[in-house]
Amino acid sequence: DSGVTQTPKHLITATGQRVTLRCSPRSGDLSVYWYQQSLDQGLQFLIQYYNGEERAKGNILERFSAQQFPDLHSELNLSSLELGDSALYFCASSVDGWATNEKLFFGSGTQLSVL
Amino acid sequence: AQKITQTQPGMFVQEKEAVTLDCTYDTSDQSYGLFWYKQPSSGEMIFLIYQGSYDEQNATEGRYSLNFQKARKSANLVISASQLGDSAMYFCAMWGTGGFKTIFGAGTRLFVKA
Repeated sequence: DSGVTQTPKHLITATGQRVTLRCSPRSGDLSVYWYQQSLDQGLQFLIQYYNGEERAKGNILERFSAQQFPDLHSELNLSSLELGDSALYFCASSVDGWATNEKLFFGSGTQLSVL
Repeated sequence: AQKITQTQPGMFVQEKEAVTLDCTYDTSDQSYGLFWYKQPSSGEMIFLIYQGSYDEQNATEGRYSLNFQKARKSANLVISASQLGDSAMYFCAMWGTGGFKTIFGAGTRLFVKA
């Protein structure tokens, strides 16, 4: 058990809908990361938050948004969903995200299926 | 821009033999970290091993070792004495001060044969 909690584990929805994925980091970790894993594009970095503030941004679509709350949990909002958004969405956390040796602790992921 | 390349989509290895998974990277950062993660069929991502760009010795963690060749920008994972439970997807990853984010390669799927 990595200590990172992601909910829900599975989500099935229709095109055009909006969903929210939730992540609770390991106790003491200040940085939260979101990744998208699809069959054809591997593990893509979406966005990183540190102590409530956005620190780094990757290939995140404008239809997607995220935030980190004062209690350090994070939510990833996906709107106007398309079939191509179907993927496994991972949340990861680390202590602060500043050190080169800082490994990531991953949640079990949310499998999103857009029908 | 930073990039990780894993050129082996799939690999087969006989149980109890050693196997090397290739990883090359590209970065202009002087300080960076290289990681390997394992993703079993259950889906979770598990950290295996870390190598810092200034580390002079290759990292080792149990049966895992990282063959770090800085001049060639390669960070190959060596798994010794393969076990059936090693069958999984393996990802090479890098964190650099230029981007403050960890990027991943496409992964290599390892199959261990009994």
